[in-house]
Amino acid sequence: ETGVTQSPTHLIKTRGQQVTLRCSSQSGHNTVSWYQQALGQGPQFIFQYYREEENGRGNFPPRFSGLQFPNYSSELNVNALELDDSALYLCASSVDSYEQYFGPGTRLTVT
Amino acid sequence: GDSVTQMEGPVTLSEEAFLTINCTYTATGYPSLFWYVQYPGEGLQLLLKATKADDKGSNKGFEATYRKETTSFHLEKGSVQVSDSAVYFCALGDSGGSNYKLTFGKGTLLTVNP
Repeated sequence: ETGVTQSPTHLIKTRGQQVTLRCSSQSGHNTVSWYQQALGQGPQFIFQYYREEENGRGNFPPRFSGLQFPNYSSELNVNALELDDSALYLCASSVDSYEQYFGPGTRLTVT
Repeated sequence: GDSVTQMEGPVTLSEEAFLTINCTYTATGYPSLFWYVQYPGEGLQLLLKATKADDKGSNKGFEATYRKETTSFHLEKGSVQVSDSAVYFCALGDSGGSNYKLTFGKGTLLTVNP
């Protein structure tokens, strides 16, 4: 059984640029959640997708957007990058539950 | 809204010592509770869970009991190993919404010395 995978592993962007992060959910999982983990902090909920529809959003501005595809993989897009967007971005998948399985994350650095 | 408070780290122990990491929560309903572990350079792994009051979650020698009366879910292990060195996160499942959002504490860094 393949776990949750994320790409790329690391990314460096300049302030004002746009970025797309990708996530492949665990086989059979229909729900994908995205979290932002700043250095030394716990993960913060960005949003969740369930069967290709947004199903809840945390306290993040609209420049954070996402998609879920028919195969349940997902993308996180961030426009107009700011320095404070530097963080580890975690994707987690699940099947109609809170028991979420996390990928290894994408480390984004904004300079 | 929902929130989780964990004991501040870092925690440094010798091998075979007893471990307790305190976690308390605030929630309007009846959340599910979780402990996740993050090893260096990796994502989060689910360690254990409890879905209702008085449930005890356990895994790999770790235990935590869902205490509704004290709104707590403290993590314990009787004898830690060097391989337990990691960051531990307490989390709760959204108790009032229609999605499966997790709310995390800030994490506690555990270092176990041989």
